[in-house]
Amino acid sequence: GESVGLHLPTLSVQEGDNSIINCAYSNSASDYFIWYKQESGKGPQFIIDIRSNMDKRQGQRVTVLLNKTVKHLSLQIAATQPGDSAVYFCALEGNAGGTSYGKLTFGQGTILTVHP
Amino acid sequence: DGGITQSPKYLFRKEGQNVTLSCEQNLNHDAMYWYRQDPGQGLRLIYYSQIVNDFQKGDIAEGYSVSREKKESFPLTVTSAQKNPTAFYLCASSRQPVGDQPQHFGDGTRLSIL
Repeated sequence: GESVGLHLPTLSVQEGDNSIINCAYSNSASDYFIWYKQESGKGPQFIIDIRSNMDKRQGQRVTVLLNKTVKHLSLQIAATQPGDSAVYFCALEGNAGGTSYGKLTFGQGTILTVHP
Repeated sequence: DGGITQSPKYLFRKEGQNVTLSCEQNLNHDAMYWYRQDPGQGLRLIYYSQIVNDFQKGDIAEGYSVSREKKESFPLTVTSAQKNPTAFYLCASSRQPVGDQPQHFGDGTRLSIL
């Protein structure tokens, strides 16, 4: 079956450092990938997404890298701020038998703590 | 502002009782989803609906039921058959069900057993 996992369950950084959060996946048919940020007591918030025909996409202070060869996804946060402290989830969508219905598989999450 | 509203924020269930969690969206999204989140874990799909009057089971549908009578509403009922209902329940929606569209989430309902 499909699985999504994270290399590091927790990440602690100093304010101003760059953060890298990793995600490994097993389904080579996955074609769409999303990073979410979840603060305590709230729902996941969309950060950035990437399709399988790309290997890099940049947003404001965030970059997502996709390596399909080794089935690895990463989220880079530049100049990390205390407000970035949260749980970060990767999620991926595969094409289920040609009928893609937007079903996402979520990783377990990485806790990012940013120290001032 | 457009968004997804879940209510109530906290809910308590007695033994043998069914409870219903509300989810409303004003994003004009076709697809809606219900997830369950347990401490320290990712989200697991309970039910999803691609269009009004249609819905499908997700990975952990047992003990839950849904309806989709209106585009903007997708209520979830946690029945007495769900023996471990304590969790954080999240509703999401997306513009179309065919993929490559991010799901947007509400702020969840935390369900506990009395």
